[in-house]
Amino acid sequence: KAGVTQTPRYLIKTRGQQVTLSCSPISGHRSVSWYQQTPGQGLQFLFEYFSETQRNKGNFPGRFSGRQFSNSRSEMNVSTLELGDSALYLCASSLTDSRNGYTFGSGTRLTVV
Amino acid sequence: AQKVTQAQTEISVVEKEDVTLDCVYETRDTTYYLFWYKQPPSGELVFLIRRNSFDEQNEISGRYSWNFQKSTSSFNFTITASQVVDSAVYFCALSEAGEGAQKLVFGQGTRLTINP
Repeated sequence: KAGVTQTPRYLIKTRGQQVTLSCSPISGHRSVSWYQQTPGQGLQFLFEYFSETQRNKGNFPGRFSGRQFSNSRSEMNVSTLELGDSALYLCASSLTDSRNGYTFGSGTRLTVV
Repeated sequence: AQKVTQAQTEISVVEKEDVTLDCVYETRDTTYYLFWYKQPPSGELVFLIRRNSFDEQNEISGRYSWNFQKSTSSFNFTITASQVVDSAVYFCALSEAGEGAQKLVFGQGTRLTINP
């Protein structure tokens, strides 16, 4: 059974650009959530989607957005990149939510220069 | 508000020693879930255990064991006879019920180094 797949693994962008990250959940999983990991702030929740609907959102500016497709694949977008957006972005999937546990992908390491 | 505290930032031990990673949590919910994840240098968070608030039984899985105590709001993780491959950052996380079940609140992590 394939795990959670995130693409790309590494990304370098220039300040002011926008970026789209992709996440393919485990087959059958309908919940996909995103986290940002930085040395200073640790692991922080960005948002969660279930059946194409955003059910929960963390405390991030509107530059961070996401969506989920009918096949449960999810994308997150960051517009007008700032240096502080440099981080490891992790995606996790679950059948429903924490009651079933979350499986994480390997992450996308974004560097903003 | 929910919060997870891992007071130990870094731990370094010699191989074969036992090591305990501490986790203290705060929540107002009576139903919640606790997790431990391992993050090797590759970056992926590897699931180790999930425990719900109604199950206080301690659990053992090979060299790993977990001690859940609601009275002290703690969910500690012990590695017995540590090995070099156990070196990683370990995270404790909390999830509440209802809408809270859609997100995990993580502690700051404990970097564990096992020296040969």
